[in-house]
Amino acid sequence: GAVVSQHPSRVICKSGTSVKIECRSLDFQATTMFWYRQFPKQSLMLMATSNEGSKATYEQGVEKDKFLINHASLTLSTLTVTSAHPEDSSFYICSASPSVLAGGFTDTQYFGPGTRLTVL
Amino acid sequence: LAKTTQPISMDSYEGQEVNITCSHNNIATNDYITWYQQFPSQGPRFIIQGYKTKVTNEVASLFIPADRKSSTLSLPRVSLSDTAVYYCLVGDLPGANNLFFGTGTRLTVIP
Repeated sequence: GAVVSQHPSRVICKSGTSVKIECRSLDFQATTMFWYRQFPKQSLMLMATSNEGSKATYEQGVEKDKFLINHASLTLSTLTVTSAHPEDSSFYICSASPSVLAGGFTDTQYFGPGTRLTVL
Repeated sequence: LAKTTQPISMDSYEGQEVNITCSHNNIATNDYITWYQQFPSQGPRFIIQGYKTKVTNEVASLFIPADRKSSTLSLPRVSLSDTAVYYCLVGDLPGANNLFFGTGTRLTVIP
């Protein structure tokens, strides 16, 4: 149980285009999902908190107009990188926290497999 | 916000027990301690979580002293496939403080 998927797993795009990444909780509902970015040899950096039915909360230094987040249902959050540039190339990872997880810890995040974005 | 401090890297031979300690001096009363494992180009994987004393599952053990200012992840008889980065996080609820990753510990298992 507690599986999170991401799509696509890898994407290459030209500079100036927009890219959408999907994050799905497959076997549980998640009122809250999180988006991270990880550069090579570095730790994960929280970008934003995605709340179902409301606006996302962005961390300091993350441009909300560049990284659009939509959490339209209890199992899906999307991150759209608008007008992507080479410096946006990174590994994007989402996580979800179960609203209720029978027999488990509701304080635990479950991570997706990540999406490798390369902007040419 | 409870900041965590871990060794940057560790090496171990196959078959040995590995203990990775994390310091979290500012841990709050409601905070849990959670450890994750990450392989290259993959999302972190939950290993174990605890609040106090000792927790054990099929993968690892987590030791937490009474003052909870540190915790130790214990991996019994590591294999080459345990080579990964291990992160400890502290926080109360998702959406609060359990979201900020430190540097992690890069464990290399040597044949």
